[in-house]
Amino acid sequence: QQQVKQSPQSLIVQKGGIPIINCAYENTAFDYFPWYQQFPGKGPALLIAIRPDVSEKKEGRFTISFNKSAKQFSLHIMDSQPGDSATYFCAASEYNTDKLIFGTGTRLQVFP
Amino acid sequence: DSGVTQTPKHLITATGQRVTLRCSPRSGDLSVYWYQQSLDQGLQFLIQYYNGEERAKGNILERFSAQQFPDLHSELNLSSLELGDSALYFCASSVESGTSGKEQYFGPGTRLTVT
Repeated sequence: QQQVKQSPQSLIVQKGGIPIINCAYENTAFDYFPWYQQFPGKGPALLIAIRPDVSEKKEGRFTISFNKSAKQFSLHIMDSQPGDSATYFCAASEYNTDKLIFGTGTRLQVFP
Repeated sequence: DSGVTQTPKHLITATGQRVTLRCSPRSGDLSVYWYQQSLDQGLQFLIQYYNGEERAKGNILERFSAQQFPDLHSELNLSSLELGDSALYFCASSVESGTSGKEQYFGPGTRLTVT
């Protein structure tokens, strides 16, 4: 059972575009929602994370939008660059545990 | 560089064999996590240790075991290996467990190939 559903599976944008990656969940016990970036041959790197009491969080060019009632959250990458080309994973964890449950990943390609 | 180190980087072994993967957490981190990444299962949580004790278990096979040593490094032991165990194995660490421990930093991974 996929507890965190991520879409799209792949995304292609031009440099300067704003790719948006979406995730949805059903488990209301989730209280922590991070996004990770993974380059080929590397480990996932923590990008940005949000908790349900906040509707939006920005760190540099990365923004998380969180809709608690819809049980959805999304990652926006402003002014995307070719160096942002990577696979992005959303994840979630319950309030009483640290284990992360990952989405299936989105492969982003940013062309010059 | 996350500060989490893993060895070896690559491992090729035969079915039925046993291997040990090693992880050193970031300096000061007490919690260590193991994850498996494969094409068909994605990124899956295996097990967590906190300050030497097992804290949580995920979809870890009985053929797999782990431990965390007094110096906080961790080892993941995989035995009776099968072709389906071929995957990337990641270690992650966080400062502590609980609410403040949710920021996990991943190592570079060990790529295991079972032939």
